[in-house]
Amino acid sequence: AQSVTQPDIHITVSEGASLELRCNYSYGATPYLFWYVQSPGQGLQLLLKYFSGDTLVQGIKGFEAEFKRSQSSFNLRKPSVHWSDAAEYFCAVGPLEYGNKLVFGAGTILRVKS
Amino acid sequence: DTGVSQDPRHKITKRGQNVTFRCDPISEHNRLYWYRQTLGQGPEFLTYFQNEAQLEKSRLLSDRFSAERPKGSFSTLEIQRTEQGDSAMYLCASSPPSGVASPGELFFGEGSRLTVL
Repeated sequence: AQSVTQPDIHITVSEGASLELRCNYSYGATPYLFWYVQSPGQGLQLLLKYFSGDTLVQGIKGFEAEFKRSQSSFNLRKPSVHWSDAAEYFCAVGPLEYGNKLVFGAGTILRVKS
Repeated sequence: DTGVSQDPRHKITKRGQNVTFRCDPISEHNRLYWYRQTLGQGPEFLTYFQNEAQLEKSRLLSDRFSAERPKGSFSTLEIQRTEQGDSAMYLCASSPPSGVASPGELFFGEGSRLTVL
């Protein structure tokens, strides 16, 4: 069965510190991997995606993620966190086709302290 | 450029009542999705339309739930005889035709929060 695990429910980092949010997936075929962000009162927004090629992908807002097939992981990173990054982050997996149904993790809430 | 809009944003109802949510996707997006998000969980897929055709339904969508997209534009999600377990955020998303955006690149609305008393 397809599943996504985000082990950390909450993470708190200081502004300017680096960030890594963990994501592990279980998928029977070649996965299509995503990170979405949900800020309070706003809809989910796509940060970045991976389906082939370079395993390090760049996204918006200075985020990047690295796909590691051997570890079934797709961790999200940012070298220097800004207070505006406080939000909930969701990792998702889906098949390589349009109209796919994404399977989301439970999310990680990021708090940024000044 | 307007994004995906959902109405109402909040709905409080009593158990047993019917509720209907509306979603207006981004214009020219031919694919429309409904997801449900409960507290502490990520969104769960409910159903998917391509134009007016409902192509996939999750087993989460019991017979009390029905979704339509009559003219391939806006969509409605109706829940009949609501139960307390239906309390959740109902998210709508849309995506453009193949080739305009990548598969899985969904544009989400802000959601409709349902509270069943």
